[in-house]
Amino acid sequence: DQQVKQNSPSLSVQEGRISILNCDYTNSMFDYFLWYKKYPAEGPTFLISISSIKDKNEDGRFTVFLNKSAKHLSLHIVPSQPGDSAVYFCAAGGGYNKLIFGAGTRLAVHP
Amino acid sequence: NAGVTQTPKFQVLKTGQSMTLQCAQDMNHNSMYWYRQDPGMGLRLIYYSASEGTTDKGEVPNGYNVSRLNKREFSLRLESAAPSQTSVYFCASSVGRPKEETQYFGPGTRLLVL
Repeated sequence: DQQVKQNSPSLSVQEGRISILNCDYTNSMFDYFLWYKKYPAEGPTFLISISSIKDKNEDGRFTVFLNKSAKHLSLHIVPSQPGDSAVYFCAAGGGYNKLIFGAGTRLAVHP
Repeated sequence: NAGVTQTPKFQVLKTGQSMTLQCAQDMNHNSMYWYRQDPGMGLRLIYYSASEGTTDKGEVPNGYNVSRLNKREFSLRLESAAPSQTSVYFCASSVGRPKEETQYFGPGTRLLVL
């Protein structure tokens, strides 16, 4: 049973608009969450994280929202740019640096 | 600073052959990890090493062995490759403390088992 779920395999957004990527988790013991971005033929790179004691974290165009009661987090990208086209992985952790990853959402930002 | 490096980049094996995937990091990180990525499955942890001299199983350890050779290097060995082990393998490292510290990934090794 997947503990971290990204139910949308793909998302297409117009340049300049908002991209919203969603992630749900089942394990209430998770206490920190991360988003990674992956380009083809490269390893994932860290994007942004949030601790369970917060409900929002911003870094430039990227904002992560956490709703603990719903066990749901989302990544907002505003404004979206063509260079943001990539696969985005949600990850959750609760133990010693052990992360559980979602299946990923492929974002396509078109002009 | 090369970060996390992996060799080889691509490998084709026949069923039953063995091979070792190499990983090295130059960031003086304590913890290192091996993941595999399969379509629709995300990244799944195979083994990890919280510190030099220790290794532990992750979600999908069957068919693999690891060696933490020193602080820099963490290798993954397939003793008898099977087609189910066709995947992209990523090595990662992190400082280790605090636990929220992000993991840094290598470029991956694409493995095809025929």
